[in-house]
Amino acid sequence: TAGITQAPTSQILAAGRSMTLRCTQDMRHNAMYWYRQDLGLGLRLIHYSNTAGTTGKGEVPDGYSVSRANTDDFPLTLASAVPSQTSVYFCASSDGTSGMNEQYFGPGTRLTVT
Amino acid sequence: QQQVKQSPQSLIVQKGGISIINCAYENTAFDYFPWYQQFPGKGPALLIAIRPDVSEKKEGRFTISFNKSAKQFSLHIMDSQPGDSATYFCAASSGDYKLSFGAGTTVTVRA
Repeated sequence: TAGITQAPTSQILAAGRSMTLRCTQDMRHNAMYWYRQDLGLGLRLIHYSNTAGTTGKGEVPDGYSVSRANTDDFPLTLASAVPSQTSVYFCASSDGTSGMNEQYFGPGTRLTVT
Repeated sequence: QQQVKQSPQSLIVQKGGISIINCAYENTAFDYFPWYQQFPGKGPALLIAIRPDVSEKKEGRFTISFNKSAKQFSLHIMDSQPGDSATYFCAASSGDYKLSFGAGTTVTVRA
């Protein structure tokens, strides 16, 4: 199975431009998440969705927006990119029902904002 | 401010040695403590996890030790192998399924 796919793999983006990072899962998981990974800071939660139609803010939501129109897709949008958004972005999902909330991660998108 | 503090930032161990990574937390509502393993260019993957009702969990060469009173937990990698070279993240959650991650530890196993 594919699990979680993310696109693009990498991108260089000019400051002020907008961009949408795509995430699709084929596991029919209820919950999905977006993280950014920065050296020395680990993974920080940007936004999450417990089920289709609902979203919530994580630890570092400013400058990002998400939508969850269906179970499988959870796009992350940067409306006006800034250099501090240079990072590696990971999408993850979990079934949200088991006691041990294992999250499955995609391969990541490396974004450079110049 | 990170809710889970992880140390060391990096460590080097000889093949066959023991790698130990420590994590500490303050939020007493945390009730799920996973460890994730990440290889370069890949997303993190769950390695092992524990709940606070047990003090130790072992899976193969990987063991989590949990000290509820000290609010600390650690990962021990026994008989470390070169294939264990990766970055390890501890994490914690409090039933809402959102994970708070530590900063990560890069483990290098020398052959």
